[in-house]
Amino acid sequence: AQSVTQPDIHITVSEGASLELRCNYSYGATPYLFWYVQSPGQGLQLLLKYFSGDTLVQGIKGFEAEFKRSQSSFNLRKPSVHWSDAAEYFCAVGARGNTPLVFGKGTRLSVIA
Amino acid sequence: DAGVIQSPRHEVTEMGQEVTLRCKPISGHDYLFWYRQTMMRGLELLIYFNNNVPIDDSGMPEDRFSAKMPNASFSTLKIQPSEPRDSAVYFCASSYLMTEAFFGQGTRLTVV
Repeated sequence: AQSVTQPDIHITVSEGASLELRCNYSYGATPYLFWYVQSPGQGLQLLLKYFSGDTLVQGIKGFEAEFKRSQSSFNLRKPSVHWSDAAEYFCAVGARGNTPLVFGKGTRLSVIA
Repeated sequence: DAGVIQSPRHEVTEMGQEVTLRCKPISGHDYLFWYRQTMMRGLELLIYFNNNVPIDDSGMPEDRFSAKMPNASFSTLKIQPSEPRDSAVYFCASSYLMTEAFFGQGTRLTVV
């Protein structure tokens, strides 16, 4: 069965600093990989997704993620964080027509001035 | 499309009462999922449907929980009787061909 590990429960960064959120997955076949963001009191919004092809994917709000098969990782990055990026971030793994998405526990991002 | 629509957004009920949560998926999507989110357990998949048919309900915690999807545009999650430990945020999500899932705003359930 697939699983997702987000090692960091809470990260604090300064506004304008770069950001990297870690995600490791376990899946026997080629996975579909996703990052979602959840603001307080809101649902989950899709930031970006990887299905195949170029291992560096661009998403909304200036985020990008890189799929590294050898490391079973799909880390999320942003070069310059804005205060509005403070939220909970979830990594998820799935497969087309196969099994539902499995989510990590999430990483809470705080942004300080 | 307005996205996945859930109602109500907030529900406060007394222990022992029946609670019904509602979901309207995105038109054309063939999968519908019910998730529960708590601080302790994160996002848990409760049940999912494909073309209105329940496929896997192994995540449903107890027989007190039931879900139906009478047609492609409507699903319900019912808890009867409700207990305080059922307090959580319940999300409905839909997808096409089990690709990315689109989530509703959630229903925050409080059982007192």
